[in-house]
Amino acid sequence: EPEVTQTPSHQVTQMGQEVILRCVPISNHLYFYWYRQILGQKVEFLVSFYNNEISEKSEIFDDQFSVERPDGSNFTLKIRSTKLEDSAMYFCASSERDIRFTGELFFGEGSRLTVL
Amino acid sequence: QKEVEQDPGPLSVPEGAIVSLNCTYSNSAFQYFMWYRQYSRKGPELLMYTYSSGNKEDGRFTAQVDKSSKYISLFIRDSQPSDSATYLCAMSGGAQKLVFGQGTRLTINP
Repeated sequence: EPEVTQTPSHQVTQMGQEVILRCVPISNHLYFYWYRQILGQKVEFLVSFYNNEISEKSEIFDDQFSVERPDGSNFTLKIRSTKLEDSAMYFCASSERDIRFTGELFFGEGSRLTVL
Repeated sequence: QKEVEQDPGPLSVPEGAIVSLNCTYSNSAFQYFMWYRQYSRKGPELLMYTYSSGNKEDGRFTAQVDKSSKYISLFIRDSQPSDSATYLCAMSGGAQKLVFGQGTRLTINP
């Protein structure tokens, strides 16, 4: 069964360091997303990406964050200068169609980021 | 008022019981209503989704949406210990994002 894969599963970094989280979406999907979940809290939307552009982003997704699809398979989230409050599980997700018109959004297992 | 509200539980029931989980919402633009299952420190797993109002059944799981009341439910019949997890409701419509509920932590006791 096709799945979204994410690396690394866990990353520990020092405050102020840059972090790149990587994702391989499901191969025929066209829409890509990043969500995050702080321990004990809701899953929160960060950004959606389609046709090599950000299509929507939340208030959380400030200038410290960026996304990129560097090749035909990978989708990355970069945090430029990590803060303590960036510690969370980061989930990549993908869908075949625009999520406004489908209920089928599939998530990866997540990358746990710990900022010290 | 929060956009999506879900009782976080925890909810504990005996094996074989019928479980009822639900969410309320305030945004009339929501059209798709999803239920995800999440095991500890894992990603959300899509269980089922419903478009607009109505019922949808998949094995032991039934999802119901009542748009007039802005209320959605997930029923689990013949619950099993392996159903123990956190159940997340999520909704979309009008924007390219899902809005999640808090999640309900469910334990099925053998």
